Order: sequence, then structure tokens, then C-alpha cells
Amino acid sequence: GENVEQHPSTLSVQEGDSAVIKCTYSDSASNYFPWYKQELGKRPQLIIDIRSNVGEKKDQRIAVTLNKTAKHFSLHITETQPEDSAVYFCAASIDNQGGKLIFGQGTELSVKP
Amino acid sequence: GAVVSQHPSRVICKSGTSVKIECRSLDFQATTMFWYRQFPKQSLMLMATSNEGSKATYEQGVEKDKFLINHASLTLSTLTVTSAHPEDSSFYICSASPLGTSHWEAQYFGPGTRLLVL
Repeated sequence: GENVEQHPSTLSVQEGDSAVIKCTYSDSASNYFPWYKQELGKRPQLIIDIRSNVGEKKDQRIAVTLNKTAKHFSLHITETQPEDSAVYFCAASIDNQGGKLIFGQGTELSVKP
Repeated sequence: GAVVSQHPSRVICKSGTSVKIECRSLDFQATTMFWYRQFPKQSLMLMATSNEGSKATYEQGVEKDKFLINHASLTLSTLTVTSAHPEDSSFYICSASPLGTSHWEAQYFGPGTRLLVL
């Protein structure tokens, strides 16, 4: 089955700097890749997603890139702010498996003021 | 729109008892709901896919007789942890996909239920 690896597990940046989180997936049939932000004790919140027919997507300070050949995708956060501090999860989904998401291990992002 | 609720938000029970967790889609209908378990500082692990009107599909390693799932209507799925033990203590989160959409649509997550088994 699908396996998603996420790095780094923790990331500390200074406010205003950029943060990059990377994920790789194993199943080339995966075609939907969402990113979630989860604050302590709260539900995951979708922040951006990308489909396999697109190489890059941007939404204000957040962008995601996808390399289908290498089977990896990355989250880029620019101009980080303290409120960006949270755990970020990548996930992958395969069209013919009913939409179930396989999550990466998570990255704890800390933005220091 | 697209709100998913869970009840209870937290529960403490004695070892050996059963606990039922409800997942409701409040403003949309969902043919498919998913149940995840999340241990402290770990990722979300998919337990099962709940389909309205049919049996749930369990992930490998998840005991279907221990984690009973019932998707009785298009807005409600329940997860019952039977004969709960301390190792079942975890954060249980459900998610739902709106009826009529393909999997391309993002799943909407419930707020989670924190289970503590003493």
C-alpha cells in the first residue's frame, strides 16, 4: 500500500524566514496531495492541496510543488509568522481507493518571534 | 458550511467497558466517513472507511470486532470501542466527504474525541 514519508520532524525558523517541508510517496497511482495544519488538541485544517495534473500551486504565503517523476511534494511557507507554529501533515490519496488519505509523520514547525 | 461534529469531545472510562463515539456531518450528507486514531505526537492513522448502508472497510491491523463502525444514515457514523483497555487511549478523529463529490474534494474533519481508559 501507499507509504508517505515526511521530513523534517521538527523545524524551527525565525519570524519572517521561509519554511520548507518535504514528503515522498511510494505509490505512483497517488494523485491527490493535501496539506493539513493541526494545532495542539485540535482538528486538522486543510491549508492547500494539489492534484497530480498540476506541478505547483500557490495561495498567498503558502505554496506546494509536486514532482511526479520523483514522487515527492513540498510545502513552502514564506514570511513565517508565530501563528504559523503548529504541526503540519502531508497526505496522499489514490483515486480508486475511495478517497482515503495516507498521512506523513508530521512536522512540528516553531516560528520564533 | 461543511461542518463535522463529534460527540463526546472527551471520555474517561474504566478498562473493560465499551465507548461509543458519534461523528455527524451537520450541513451536508456524506456517503463516506473515515475514522482515524492519533497517539500523542504522532500522525493520523486511518482505521477504517465507513460507508452508508454497508460494512466498513478496515485497514490492516485494525480489529473489526474491537472497533465497531456503524454508518446508519448519510449524516451519522459511530465508532464503538468494545472492551476498552488502557492501550486504546488515544485521540479519535473522523472525517467526511460530501455526497456527490469525487475524492478530489477535501475531507472535513471532526474536532476529535479524546479517550482515556483507566
